[in-house]
Amino acid sequence: GQNIDQPTEMTATEGAIVQINCTYQTSGFNGLFWYQQHAGEAPTFLSYNVLDGLEEKGRFSSFLSRSKGYSYLLLKELQMKDSASYLCAALDSNYQLIWGAGTKLIIKP
Amino acid sequence: GAVVSQHPSWVICKSGTSVKIECRSLDFQATTMFWYRQFPKQSLMLMATSNEGSKATYEQGVEKDKFLINHASLTLSTLTVTSAHPEDSSFYICSARDTSVDTGELFFGEGSRLTVL
Repeated sequence: GQNIDQPTEMTATEGAIVQINCTYQTSGFNGLFWYQQHAGEAPTFLSYNVLDGLEEKGRFSSFLSRSKGYSYLLLKELQMKDSASYLCAALDSNYQLIWGAGTKLIIKP
Repeated sequence: GAVVSQHPSWVICKSGTSVKIECRSLDFQATTMFWYRQFPKQSLMLMATSNEGSKATYEQGVEKDKFLINHASLTLSTLTVTSAHPEDSSFYICSARDTSVDTGELFFGEGSRLTVL
């Protein structure tokens, strides 16, 4: 079956760095997405990886290893506004998005 | 980036009534749109894939006669929750992919929070 695993909740300190991991098992693979979702709002796009390696975009970076079925989202210089849920989603061979349950990130002062 | 607009943002209705939610792609054409439902503290769950000019494809366990989807144009898809009941109260979100660019990014509407009394 198809499956996405990511931690349920993480806590980090303002100004620090946090890494949110995601492992996936899908029928075929056409890329991996990370979305940010604040409570009561729709998800917003953060990143898309289809090739192995690290993609950096400001304070956020995303890494993909296709051979390991593994990705992580790295958030640097954490700010209080980064408190949100982070959703990992993989695109399968039919271009269907398989969603993880999300990681709730709590930022403490 | 591309914009997807969803309306209404909030709706409260009585049990047994029907509610229509609209999803519009404002600056691009979307042959396919996706409808999700999200219950509190849970992840997005795909309900159905809306296809312009043809029938929607529903996920297992989603009643097609209860959740009517119409995708009559390349910029508009509607979801109608028929005979709504309190258990249908949820956050409904639509999304679309701009296939004219090859980023694969999904653009989401603002979401519609439905409360059935």
